[in-house]
Order: sequence, then structure tokens, then C-alpha cells
Amino acid sequence: EAGVAQSPRYKIIEKRQSVAFWCNPISGHATLYWYQQILGQGPKLLIQFQNNGVVDDSQLPKDRFSAERLKGVDSTLKIQPAKLEDSAVYLCASSLLRSSYNEQFFGPGTRLTVL
Amino acid sequence: GQQVMQIPQYQHVQEGEDFTTYCNSSTTLSNIQWYKQRPGGHPVFLIQLVKSGEVKKQKRLTFQFGEAKKNSSLHITATQTTDVGTYFCAAAGGTSYGKLTFGQGTILTVHP
Repeated sequence: EAGVAQSPRYKIIEKRQSVAFWCNPISGHATLYWYQQILGQGPKLLIQFQNNGVVDDSQLPKDRFSAERLKGVDSTLKIQPAKLEDSAVYLCASSLLRSSYNEQFFGPGTRLTVL
Repeated sequence: GQQVMQIPQYQHVQEGEDFTTYCNSSTTLSNIQWYKQRPGGHPVFLIQLVKSGEVKKQKRLTFQFGEAKKNSSLHITATQTTDVGTYFCAAAGGTSYGKLTFGQGTILTVHP
């Protein structure tokens, strides 16, 4: 079974530039999550999708971050414009169902450096 | 929002010593999951605890869920160099449907 795929693996940009990350979850997984993991901290949930609908985006900085999951499969996360404090690893995860009782499968992440 | 405190932040042990990390919440949890993240890697699911007072074992790893469902622990017996990594607890509160809040993690280093 293929795991969660993410690209790119690394990205370096200057502040005020824009960047986009892509995620392909495990086939059949209805729920998709985007996390931000700053060095030395645990993953922080940015947004959660159930199929192609948003169920939680309470911690997403909506003035600069946006995400979509068209057709309920792949997802993209965009930052525009980027700030220095956005430097982090962006992890995508998926689970079979929406319930917190489901384990989450994480992708390898995209390491973003904002200069 | 829900907060999950995890201690210690770092733990350095000699190979063969035991290791324990603790996770605490101020609110009652519906369930708690544990993940391991190897250096440079991504979090990988270890186990889930659901019932009050639950204890689960995986070889040298023992996981406990507190009676009040507000705390949990992970204990590793006789650590090995392969145990190196960051261990995270991830907790779901009673009203958090599908949303896990991760602790800051405990970084374990094992000296051979």
C-alpha cells in the first residue's frame, strides 16, 4: 500500500514570496490533515478536510494561508505572502475516517525555509 | 483550545537503561495516541489508548492511560539505539471529533 505522498520535499523562498505544497493521501482515506511542525515542537493542526469539505480550520492563518482539496483526493496548501516565522516542516496526514479513534498516516513532509 | 503538556522535553540515557515520558491534560480525554518520529522523519503511529486505566504493551514498550483519562505515559524497558527519536502523545478531547492535539514531544537519545 502506497503511503502519503508530498512534494516538494524542500523549499527555500524569500519573505513575501508565495509557495504551494501538494499532498496525495492514502487511497480511500476520507480525512486529510495539514500540520505545521516548527523545530522542537509537536505538529500543530492547520486544517482538516473530510472528503472535499473543511471540518476544522480554526488554527489556519487565513490572511496568508489557504488550502483546498478538490474532488476529495489531492490537496494543496498555499502561503501567500510568506513570513520568516512560516519556516517549518509542513506535514500532510490522512486517516480512513474522521474519528479521532483513527490512526493518522503522515507523509514525509515539506521543509520550508523562509529567508 | 485543548493543551497537552509532555515531560520531559529531553532524555539522555545509556543503552540498557529505562525511559519514561509523561503526557498530561487539564481536561478529560476521549482517547490518546502515541507517535514516534525518528530524526529527519515523520511521525509514525505506535498505539492508541481509549479506556480508563488501560495498559498496553508492545515488546519493550508499555503504555498507560490514567484512571481519570487526563494523563498517559510511555515506558521503554532496556532502551536500545533503535529507540532514538521523539515521542509524541496526541490527545483528543471529549468534544474534539477527529482532532488530535500533539504534545511538544520528548526527545530520546541513547548512548551506546
